[in-house]
Amino acid sequence: EAGVAQSPRYKIIEKRQSVAFWCNPISGHATLYWYQQILGQGPKLLIQFQNNGVVDDSQLPKDRFSAERLKGVDSTLKIQPAKLEDSAVYLCASSSSTSGSAPRGGEQYFGPGTRLTVT
Amino acid sequence: SQKIEQNSEALNIQEGKTATLTCNYTNYSPAYLQWYRQDPGRGPVFLLLIRENEKEKRKERLKVTFDTTLKQSLFHITASQPADSATYLCALRGGFKTIFGAGTRLFVKA
Repeated sequence: EAGVAQSPRYKIIEKRQSVAFWCNPISGHATLYWYQQILGQGPKLLIQFQNNGVVDDSQLPKDRFSAERLKGVDSTLKIQPAKLEDSAVYLCASSSSTSGSAPRGGEQYFGPGTRLTVT
Repeated sequence: SQKIEQNSEALNIQEGKTATLTCNYTNYSPAYLQWYRQDPGRGPVFLLLIRENEKEKRKERLKVTFDTTLKQSLFHITASQPADSATYLCALRGGFKTIFGAGTRLFVKA
């Protein structure tokens, strides 16, 4: 079974520029997550999709970050304009948890991440 | 607010010994608790999941305990090997929300 794919693996941009990341989840996984992981910290959820609908985007800085998951499969995360504090690894994950009234354990499968450096 | 605490200091142990990592949480009632392993430059890898009504879970050399009264989970690696050296993250899941701790770095010396 193929894992979660992400691209690019590395990106260096200047502040105020824009950047986009792409994620292709494991086939059949309905739930897709984008996380931001700053060095020395745990992953912080930015946005969670169930199929192509947003379940949780409470920690997404909506003035500069946007994400979409068209057709309920792959997803893009965009930052515009970038700030120095956006330097981090952006992780995509997927899980097969359902949207029913009894969510399952929700074990997540992560991609390799995109390391973003904003200068 | 919800808070997860893992030992911020690295854990150094000798090969063959048992490593024990701690995860404490406050202001949260998770239905599940998960443990992940993360190697440098890679995404986390799921290891084990334990439910709120389970006390203990085992998988090969791994053992997880979950005490909802103490709000604590312990993660044990028995007969540790240098290949077990990594950062271990605990994550709490309640409803559809998952929050991660900052992780504990484990170094196993040969």
